[in-house]
Order: sequence, then structure tokens, then C-alpha cells
Amino acid sequence: GENVEQHPSTLSVQEGDSAVIKCTYSDSASNYFPWYKQELGKGPQLIIDIRSNVGEKKDQRIAVTLNKTAKHFSLHITETQPEDSAVYFCAASRPASSGGSYIPTFGRGTSLIVHP
Amino acid sequence: NAGVTQTPKFRVLKTGQSMTLLCAQDMNHEYMYWYRQDPGMGLRLIHYSVGEGTTAKGEVPDGYNVSRLKKQNFLLGLESAAPSQTSVYFCASSYHTLDLGSPLHFGNGTRLTVT
Repeated sequence: GENVEQHPSTLSVQEGDSAVIKCTYSDSASNYFPWYKQELGKGPQLIIDIRSNVGEKKDQRIAVTLNKTAKHFSLHITETQPEDSAVYFCAASRPASSGGSYIPTFGRGTSLIVHP
Repeated sequence: NAGVTQTPKFRVLKTGQSMTLLCAQDMNHEYMYWYRQDPGMGLRLIHYSVGEGTTAKGEVPDGYNVSRLKKQNFLLGLESAAPSQTSVYFCASSYHTLDLGSPLHFGNGTRLTVT
């Protein structure tokens, strides 16, 4: 089955710095890679996702890059703000049409702390 | 539009007691999931359902049962609670396609303590 490794487990940055969180996956058939943000006391929420037919996607201060050959994808947050402080999860899933079920496999999460 | 609603938000059980966690979604999603979240362990899948009347085991199913009698509801049961089941439980739902992944929509969790 799929295995997703996420690093680092904790990331501390100063406000205005950039933050990068990296994930690797094992199943070459995986083709959907979402990122979730979990604020304290709440459930995870999708912040950005990427499919295997593109290498990069941006949404304001957030970007995700995907390297299919190396089987890794990264979340980039620029100009970090204190409200970016949260736990971030990556995930990977493979399509039902290739024998999968689109049940995602999650990384273990990264706790991002942005210091004012 | 409520999204995914979980009840209760908090619960304390004594060892051996039983309870049911309720999850409801109003997005007409086919897939529903139950996860548990423990410090340092991320999100671990307990059970999931790909449609009304169907359920399947996830990564950590022991000690739990589920039912999906209606498309919008997914129930998680603990028949005899153990301290190891102290955790935060999240329900999620997603729509299903053959070739395109779709994001999960999560509820805000149920914090369960078993003493």
C-alpha cells in the first residue's frame, strides 16, 4: 500500500519568512495530492491540492510543487503570518480506475509555528 | 450548508461502557470516513464507507464497528471502551470519481476520554 513520509514534524519560523514542508510517497500510481491545515480544536481543511498532470500550483501565498520522478511534493508558504500557525498534513491517493479507491494516505503532520 | 457535523463534541466514558459517535453530511457525498488522531500519529483510518449499506476496515479497526444505513449518516460504535481508545475522532466525507481525486471534508471532531 501507499506510504507517505512528511518532514519536518515541527517547523518554527519568524513572521515574514518562508516555510517549506516536504512529503514523499511510495506508490507511483498515486495521482492526487492534497494539503490540509488543521487549526486548534478544528478538523483539517483543504488549503491546496495538485494532480499528477501538473508540476506546480499557486494560490496567493501558498504553492505546491510535485516531482513525479522522485515521488515527492512540497508545500511552500511565503510571507508567513501568525495565523498560518497550525498543523499541516499532506496526503496521496491513487484512482479507482487503476485498482485504487482514492482512499487517501496521510503524512503524520507538521506543526508550523510563526513567531510575531 | 452545515457540511460535516459530528456529535457529541466531548464525551467521557468509563472502561467497558459503550457509545456511538454520530456523523452527518449534507453534501450528498458517496464516501465517508472515520479517523482517530493521536499526538505524533497523524490521522489513522478506522473504517470507511464507499456508499450506503457498505463499510470497510481501515488501518486501525479493532474495537470499533460502523454502520451506514443512510447515505448522509455514518455511525461509529465502541462496544466496550478501553483507555487506549482515548483520542480525538474525526469524520470526513468526499465525492467519488473514477479518475479524479477529491478532497475530504472533515467535521470538527469528538474528543473522547476513557477512564
